[in-house]
Amino acid sequence: AQSVTQLDSHVSVSEGTPVLLRCNYSSSYSPSLFWYVQHPNKGLQLLLKYTSAATLVKGINGFEAEFKKSETSFHLTKPSAHMSDAAEYFCVVSASGGSNYKLTFGKGTLLTVNP
Amino acid sequence: GAGVSQSPSNKVTEKGKDVELRCDPISGHTALYWYRQSLGQGLEFLIYFQGNSAPDKSGLPSDRFSAERTGGSVSTLTIQRTQQEDSAVYLCASSYYLQGDTQYFGPGTRLTVL
Repeated sequence: AQSVTQLDSHVSVSEGTPVLLRCNYSSSYSPSLFWYVQHPNKGLQLLLKYTSAATLVKGINGFEAEFKKSETSFHLTKPSAHMSDAAEYFCVVSASGGSNYKLTFGKGTLLTVNP
Repeated sequence: GAGVSQSPSNKVTEKGKDVELRCDPISGHTALYWYRQSLGQGLEFLIYFQGNSAPDKSGLPSDRFSAERTGGSVSTLTIQRTQQEDSAVYLCASSYYLQGDTQYFGPGTRLTVL
């Protein structure tokens, strides 16, 4: 079985400073990993996806994430936060093999951006 | 193009009533998924469809929950005899392929059971 742990339930940064949202995963096989963002009263939007092609994955809105197998981590970063980045972020892993349609979500990290 | 749409956006019902939640996937997507997002449990997988078939119903929390999909497109999630613990946001997603493809989510239906 696979699982995801988001290490911070809430992260607060100032506008213009770097963002780091931490995620550790557990999976028996090479996982597919995702970061989704959810703005208030909106649906989940895919930020980026890792599927073993490259360990550094670039996503939308300047976000990127690095897959580190030795650390079983997939942390999300952005060099400079914007006010519009304030939202909840979910780290997600898909099951392996024949069940890799089933997504397992972390508990989420609420990002607050202060002016 | 148009994304995944869900209706209603909000539903308030009384305990014991039945409710139907609708999902319109992205045109051409063969796979459709239902998830539930609640305060206590986070985001949980409920069921998926490949075409009109639902091979995996393992996430449905009880036999009061059922879902169907017709014409390989629209899906309906039905909750019978609703309970207060059913209060949650119900999210639908679709993908072009089933295995390992990106899932695109709708805005959700917020269900409140009084």
